[in-house]
Amino acid sequence: QKEVEQNSGPLSVPEGAIASLNCTYSDRGSQSFFWYRQYSGKSPELIMFIYSNGDKEDGRFTAQLNKASQYVSLLIRDSQPSDSATYLCAVNEGDAGNMLTFGGGTRLMVKP
Amino acid sequence: DTEVTQTPKHLVMGMTNKKSLKCEQHMGHRAMYWYKQKAKKPPELMFVYSYEKLSINESVPSRFSPECPNSSLLNLHLHALQPEDSALYLCASSQGLAPETQYFGPGTRLLVL
Repeated sequence: QKEVEQNSGPLSVPEGAIASLNCTYSDRGSQSFFWYRQYSGKSPELIMFIYSNGDKEDGRFTAQLNKASQYVSLLIRDSQPSDSATYLCAVNEGDAGNMLTFGGGTRLMVKP
Repeated sequence: DTEVTQTPKHLVMGMTNKKSLKCEQHMGHRAMYWYKQKAKKPPELMFVYSYEKLSINESVPSRFSPECPNSSLLNLHLHALQPEDSALYLCASSQGLAPETQYFGPGTRLLVL
């Protein structure tokens, strides 16, 4: 059974702080990793994807991947109340069908 | 442009009704997906279409019937649903199947009475 694990939260951070969201996955053959943001009642919105070990930065967001530890994280710098949402980690094992395995999501609350 | 559109936004149906959900993308993507999402749960994959052919059916009950009339359109036909089928139904698309980023539509909120 392929698993993707996330702490459900809520993770509460003050406005302006760094929010750190973590995700572990079970399948060592996993090839690509995605972070989606989902506001309540809305659909998932792609934040970032990462394929290679190391860091990938995009604006206030940094994705970090460590395949040896089977760990992927998302850092949000200068957190804003508008960042309050559920963040879904999704992993693509590279099987036929481009199938994503989602973690349960971490709810982030940014307090003004 | 990474837009996937879905209609209707909301749907209420009885257990004996037949209805359809529609998904459209004009990004030239050749893979399209249906997901089901219950409250406070992650999306669950239902179907994958690649080049207008069904490539994956995740053991979905036959009361859900997908259809891909062309490369831009994906339908989900609903018949004899149960109240537990009430959920947010999400459509997504990607350029291909190898591994590619999936872009989600806004979803259809379905309530089965």
